[in-house]
Amino acid sequence: QQPVQSPQAVILREGEDAVINCSSSKALYSVHWYRQKHGEAPVFLMILLKGGEQKGHEKISASFNEKKQQSSLYLTASQLSYSGTYFCGTGEAGGTSYGKLTFGQGTILTVHP
Amino acid sequence: KAGVTQTPRYLIKTRGQQVTLSCSPISGHRSVSWYQQTPGQGLQFLFEYFSETQRNKGNFPGRFSGRQFSNSRSEMNVSTLELGDSALYLCASSLPRDTSYEQYFGPGTRLTVT
Repeated sequence: QQPVQSPQAVILREGEDAVINCSSSKALYSVHWYRQKHGEAPVFLMILLKGGEQKGHEKISASFNEKKQQSSLYLTASQLSYSGTYFCGTGEAGGTSYGKLTFGQGTILTVHP
Repeated sequence: KAGVTQTPRYLIKTRGQQVTLSCSPISGHRSVSWYQQTPGQGLQFLFEYFSETQRNKGNFPGRFSGRQFSNSRSEMNVSTLELGDSALYLCASSLPRDTSYEQYFGPGTRLTVT
C-alpha cells in the first residue's frame, strides 16, 4: 500500500512557506524525498532514517515521526525553482527491502512570482 | 562523477514485440532499482538488483524481467508488449552506504506501445 501525501497540490507566491506530508500505514525504516520537474527524472532531495536526525539545509528540511510513520517536508521562503512535483518514497523496516521504495502519489507545488 | 545513464531515451514499439532497456549506474554503485512511472499509477517499483542478484521484486507480471552484469550495469526486458506498458521507465542506483540507500535516478526511457 502506497504512502499518502497531502496536500495534493499547493500554490505559493515567492517567499511563502509550504509543508508537504507523507503518511504510511506500514512500519518504516526510511523516507526519501524527491522533486520532479515536468519531463525530467526525480531529483533526490534527502533521506531520513529511523533513529536518525532531522535533515535539511537552510530552506528545505524534513522530519520523520517514527511512532506515527509520518514525514514532513518543509520548504521555506520558496523560490520559483521549487516548482515541481514532490514525491516521498518509503522504505520498509526489516529484511533486505532497502533498495525498494514505495512512492506516494505526489504533491504538485507551483510557485508564482 | 557521471550520473545514471539510460538508453535509449525514447522508444516506440508495437503490441506483441519485446524491448530491452539499459541502465548504467553511477560509478561505484552496486544496487540498481527499476521503476515504472505512469500518470495513472504513479511511480511503481519493478525490481532491484544488487551484485548481479535480484533482491526485490514488485507486483508486475512475468513479462517484466531484468538482470545485472558484473560491472553493475543493468537491463530490463519486457516481452509481449501491451498498450498499458507505455510509460517512463526509470532506473535508480545506490551505493549503498551501510543501510542508507540514497537512490539517484537516471533520465528514464520513454516507451510508447502502439
